[in-house]
Amino acid sequence: DAKTTQPNSMESNEEEPVHLPCNHSTISGTDYIHWYRQLPSQGPEYVIHGLTSNVNNRMASLAIAEDRKSSTLILHRATLRDAAVYYCILRAYNQGGKLIFGQGTELSVKP
Amino acid sequence: SAVISQKPSRDICQRGTSLTIQCQVDSQVTMMFWYRQQPGQSLTLIATANQGSEATYESGFVIDKFPISRPNLTFSTLTVSNMSPEDSSIYLCSVGGLFMNTEAFFGQGTRLTVV
Repeated sequence: DAKTTQPNSMESNEEEPVHLPCNHSTISGTDYIHWYRQLPSQGPEYVIHGLTSNVNNRMASLAIAEDRKSSTLILHRATLRDAAVYYCILRAYNQGGKLIFGQGTELSVKP
Repeated sequence: SAVISQKPSRDICQRGTSLTIQCQVDSQVTMMFWYRQQPGQSLTLIATANQGSEATYESGFVIDKFPISRPNLTFSTLTVSNMSPEDSSIYLCSVGGLFMNTEAFFGQGTRLTVV
């Protein structure tokens, strides 16, 4: 399984943008890049995913490097509710729906 | 989207006993997944449960310890058998995301403490 590398923790101020990096140098051409987050005492929730192009949704933006070996999840204005563990996950065609979680980045947001 | 209900939400159990965790989904799904999250750790996949067939277990997990039932397309159970304190974890049920470009949904988890 292709692996991802994320910083263990990051800190942000409320109402400022947050850029959460993820390295995936062994990504294959058909792997999708997914992001999930886990709020305290909750199950993970989907944030965003992409293949090659940058993606935007109501929660966040995903910027994917041209060589696809790294990506960045962007929260445009962090709120206290965004404090969570963020997981960057590669999804391969042969995984049959399984999600392989790495250690993730614990984001703390200061008021 | 899918809404997943897990029961119980938490439990404290004696070592040597077993606990069955239920997972109910509000729509029919082909595959259901069970994960374990040990204290302070990330999620680890235990097994994939298909309706009408035996569950597929990941390396390090065995059916005798974590038997799974999947009687229909909206329901599954995970049993944690002969529990020890090392089994104290959060157990999560998940559905969806079968294809690479689709999202998965998770239950709120069952927080198990073994004493």
